[in-house]
Amino acid sequence: GQSLEQPSEVTAVEGAIVQINCTYQTSGFYGLSWYQQHDGGAPTFLSYNALDGLEETGRFSSFLSRSDSYGYLLLQELQMKDSASYFCAVIKAAGNKLTFGGGTRVLVKP
Amino acid sequence: GAVVSQHPSWVICKSGTSVKIECRSLDFQATTMFWYRQFPKQSLMLMATSNEGSKATYEQGVEKDKFLINHASLTLSTLTVTSAHPEDSSFYICSAKMVPKAADTQYFGPGTRLTVL
Repeated sequence: GQSLEQPSEVTAVEGAIVQINCTYQTSGFYGLSWYQQHDGGAPTFLSYNALDGLEETGRFSSFLSRSDSYGYLLLQELQMKDSASYFCAVIKAAGNKLTFGGGTRVLVKP
Repeated sequence: GAVVSQHPSWVICKSGTSVKIECRSLDFQATTMFWYRQFPKQSLMLMATSNEGSKATYEQGVEKDKFLINHASLTLSTLTVTSAHPEDSSFYICSAKMVPKAADTQYFGPGTRLTVL
């Protein structure tokens, strides 16, 4: 089988930095993606890592270590609009299917 | 670009009726579309993979006779929930993989909230 673990909830203040960790167990690993979902909305793509290392996109960065089966999403300069759920998702080579983690609810306070 | 639409955005139906949900890729072709279900405050669970011109591939535990999927063209996939019951009430989301595009990007539709009375 396969599983992804990420914290259920994180609370931080505006301007702070939040790191959301994701550990996974799967066969046929191809890459790790991150998605943001606001309440009642659709998931929106944030980042993707297929190789080890850090990918930076504006205030958000994502990291992957394939040897450790571990990745994280780094949210910097937090803003109120960043309050949402964040999901890590494993892509398996076969069929390019996404398997989502349980999601981390980020609450940004003033 | 890369917009995916779903219709309807929400639907309320009586138990025993069937409901059809459409997923369209508006500005790109998608040989593969995916259907997910999401219960409140939970993660997205993949239900099936829809391939244009062929039968859908269902995930373990998903009844193919209950959740009928048709992918008739490169821009349209439909999910029909047959004989819906209250336990089928959920948020149904589709995604589309652009052709040709690396495996990393799926574009999600806005979702359809189904309530079965």
